[in-house]
Amino acid sequence: NAGVTQTPKFRVLKTGQSMTLLCAQDMNHEYMYWYRQDPGMGLRLIHYSVGEGTTAKGEVPDGYNVSRLKKQNFLLGLESAAPSQTSVYFCASSYNLGVRGPSYEQYFGPGTRLTVT
Amino acid sequence: GESVGLHLPTLSVQEGDNSIINCAYSNSASDYFIWYKQESGKGPQFIIDIRSNMDKRQGQRVTVLLNKTVKHLSLQIAATQPGDSAVYFCAETGGQNFVFGPGTRLSVLP
Repeated sequence: NAGVTQTPKFRVLKTGQSMTLLCAQDMNHEYMYWYRQDPGMGLRLIHYSVGEGTTAKGEVPDGYNVSRLKKQNFLLGLESAAPSQTSVYFCASSYNLGVRGPSYEQYFGPGTRLTVT
Repeated sequence: GESVGLHLPTLSVQEGDNSIINCAYSNSASDYFIWYKQESGKGPQFIIDIRSNMDKRQGQRVTVLLNKTVKHLSLQIAATQPGDSAVYFCAETGGQNFVFGPGTRLSVLP
C-alpha cells in the first residue's frame, strides 16, 4: 500500500494564479482531510470529507475549494492564490467506525510545500 | 475558542534518557487525545491515543498520561533514541474535528 500520497511536492505560484493539489489514498478510507501547517502553529483544518461526493468546511476554509468525486481522491483548489496561502499542506485520511464516526487515527501524506509570491 | 498548546517549544535530551513532552488543552468537552510524531520533511505519524475516561495508556516505549483536573496531557518516551528526534504534536477532539497544538521539537543528544 502506498498509503496517502500528495502531488505535487513543491510548487511556487504568483499571486492570483490558481492550482489544484491532489491527494490519493489506497486504504479505502471514508474520511479525508486537508490541513495547512504554518510555522509556530498547529495543523489547521481547511476542509474535510466524510465520503464520496460530500465535503464540509473546517477551521480555515476561505480561499479554498475541494472536491471528492472519487472515494480515493480529495482535491484542494486555490482559485486565486494569495501570499497568505504560503504554507505546507497536508492531506490525511481515516476509516469509518460507523455510528461512532471516524477513527481517530489519521494517516497523513508527505505534504505539499506551496509558496505564493 | 478551544485551543491546544504546549509548555515547551523545544526539548533536548541525552540519548538513553527518558523524555517528557507536555501539552495543555482548554476544551473540557474533548473526549479523545492523540500524540503525533513528525519527522523533518514528512507528514505527522500517529503514536498513541487516550480516551478521556482513562488517565494512562502505554505503548511500545511510550506512555501517555492524562490529567483532566488540570487539563494536561504528557507523552513519555523511555530510553530516548536518535530516531526519536522529531516534532511531537498533541491533538484533541470531541468529534470529527481535531485541534492540534503547535508542537515540541525533541532533539536527542549523543
